[in-house]
Amino acid sequence: EPEVTQTPSHQVTQMGQEVILRCVPISNHLYFYWYRQILGQKVEFLVSFYNNEISEKSEIFDDQFSVERPDGSNFTLKIRSTKLEDSAMYFCASSGTSGGSYNEQFFGPGTRLTVL
Amino acid sequence: GENVEQHPSTLSVQEGDSAVIKCTYSDSASNYFPWYKQELGKRPQLIIDIRSNVGEKKDQRIAVTLNKTAKHFSLHITETQPEDSAVYFCAARTDSWGKFQFGAGTQVVVTP
Repeated sequence: EPEVTQTPSHQVTQMGQEVILRCVPISNHLYFYWYRQILGQKVEFLVSFYNNEISEKSEIFDDQFSVERPDGSNFTLKIRSTKLEDSAMYFCASSGTSGGSYNEQFFGPGTRLTVL
Repeated sequence: GENVEQHPSTLSVQEGDSAVIKCTYSDSASNYFPWYKQELGKRPQLIIDIRSNVGEKKDQRIAVTLNKTAKHFSLHITETQPEDSAVYFCAARTDSWGKFQFGAGTQVVVTP
């Protein structure tokens, strides 16, 4: 069964550094999402992406964040200048086009980002 | 925007007993309500979902009920087993391809 994949599984970085988190959504999916989960807290929406542009973004997704689909298979989240509070598990998700309005979002295994 | 509240935050049950987790939502336009199970260190995985035009859905030992008037929905797990131990998240969505708004999660512990 196809799965969403994410790399790396764990990223450690220094405060102020740029990080790029990578995701490969399920191949025939068209809608892509990034969520984050701070340890012990709920999963929070960051951004959704469709047709090569952002569909919706949350208040968390400020100018330090950007997303890109550079090559038709990867979907990346960039944090330009990391802060301590960016430490979290970042999940990528994708949705397909199997018809109808109600479609599951398939989640990747996550990238644990630790900012020191 | 949508706000989803989930209770309880932790739930301990004896193997074989039932577990019930409740969620409320604020936006009456929400029309899709999935439940995800997240085992330690793993990705959230969909276990059951319900659409706003349905009041109840069952899949083996798992069932979900939806009360649109009261804006709440519940997950019911019967005959719990140790492998049911995990964090369960409810979510709500208003747009067909839109974001999920998640509840805070319920840590379920099933003791043999």
